[in-house]
Amino acid sequence: DGGITQSPKYLFRKEGQNVTLSCEQNLNHDAMYWYRQDPGQGLRLIYYSQIVNDFQKGDIAEGYSVSREKKESFPLTVTSAQKNPTAFYLCASSIGEADTQYFGPGTRLTVL
Amino acid sequence: KNEVEQSPQNLTAQEGEFITINCSYSVGISALHWLQQHPGGGIVSLFMLSSGKKKHGRLIATINIQEKHSSLHITASHPRDSAVYICAVGIQGAQKLVFGQGTRLTINP
Repeated sequence: DGGITQSPKYLFRKEGQNVTLSCEQNLNHDAMYWYRQDPGQGLRLIYYSQIVNDFQKGDIAEGYSVSREKKESFPLTVTSAQKNPTAFYLCASSIGEADTQYFGPGTRLTVL
Repeated sequence: KNEVEQSPQNLTAQEGEFITINCSYSVGISALHWLQQHPGGGIVSLFMLSSGKKKHGRLIATINIQEKHSSLHITASHPRDSAVYICAVGIQGAQKLVFGQGTRLTINP
């Protein structure tokens, strides 16, 4: 089955630790995205990548980093510089930048 | 003011009712998307449209480009339609979507 997966579903970390969230897709999509969702707010774009080995900052990139070494994978690292990292993180992919985005199930990160 | 505004924020209805959720935007767009988010958090894309109307089962999405407004309708609503419905627009000239805050729909049996 083709799809987009994120792991883990729930993640707990201590304050000051870096943590990496996984996102994998087997849809052969070129574009991939990371969003953050907070209660009462719309999804906000953290980073996006239109092609392997290239990525751009979104609206709230500070305190986050990404890599795109393979077409299938777009991991997100939440660094200790992110002031309020507790949130629900969603990864998405699309054939191209203007196409329908397919979302993963999300990772709920809680920093204690 | 947000670039994408949805109304209502919350909507509770009885099974069988006709549901309308509205989305207004203030920027030039390449396309408008309607998404559904279930309680577990997963998001499913329902429609992508840039003009006119699209229908899928009991769901209908319309867009009026001149008025910068879109509606999502659900006919013969069912408790399984309970979810958060999100409107998102692709900004002209930018490679990103801008999302509304979502409408939480609850259908009671």
